[in-house]
Amino acid sequence: EVQLVQSGAEVKKPGESLKISCKASGYSFTNYWIGWVRQTPGKGLECMGIIYPGDSDTRYSPSFQGQVTISADKSISTAYLQWSSLKSSDTAIYYCSRGDSTSHALTFDYWGQGTLVTVSS
Amino acid sequence: DIQMTQSPSSLSASVGDRVTITCRASQSISDYISWYQRKPGKAPKLLIYAASSLQSGVPSRFSGSGSGTDVTLTISSLQPEDFATYYCQQTYSNPYTFGQGTKLEIK
Repeated sequence: EVQLVQSGAEVKKPGESLKISCKASGYSFTNYWIGWVRQTPGKGLECMGIIYPGDSDTRYSPSFQGQVTISADKSISTAYLQWSSLKSSDTAIYYCSRGDSTSHALTFDYWGQGTLVTVSS
Repeated sequence: DIQMTQSPSSLSASVGDRVTITCRASQSISDYISWYQRKPGKAPKLLIYAASSLQSGVPSRFSGSGSGTDVTLTISSLQPEDFATYYCQQTYSNPYTFGQGTKLEIK
């Protein structure tokens, strides 16, 4: 059974760093993309970027380039999303999802349960 | 960025109704479109991929059609468990943008 299990909720102060995780199981981690999606009440769902753990090919949305870092450790089938300096505007729910490119269209078919990140002084 | 304009933003319907949700892309996206259902407190669930392919395990009352700039999601006969928010997403080019969502409510 394909599963993506995300790390727990975080409460941080502005300026702090953070790394959240997404552990995959039930499939070959290196053969599928992992995408990160931000959910906020104001902007809805936004795809932040994707990574292909097999070769670490990483593609960011221009809106998130330089603001976050996406990485993966294939030895433990885990993807990460990290911030070096959080802002209050980073408060959101973050989802990871598995990206399947075996058909011609990249499809995000399995999703993690979401990680709530709250940034407040 | 490709803008995805979803309509309507909300919809009231009854059990058994047929409903259609539309997404219009700001440029052609071929059939690089997925549809998701999201319920409060839950992650999005994939319903349709590549515009018209039904994801495994999804009831056949859900269907997708269209390509180019206009795509639609149809629910042929609404069931109580279908009341949720629906999103389209294009994966034609990065960033892979979503529509703003359609909230389907019980009439």
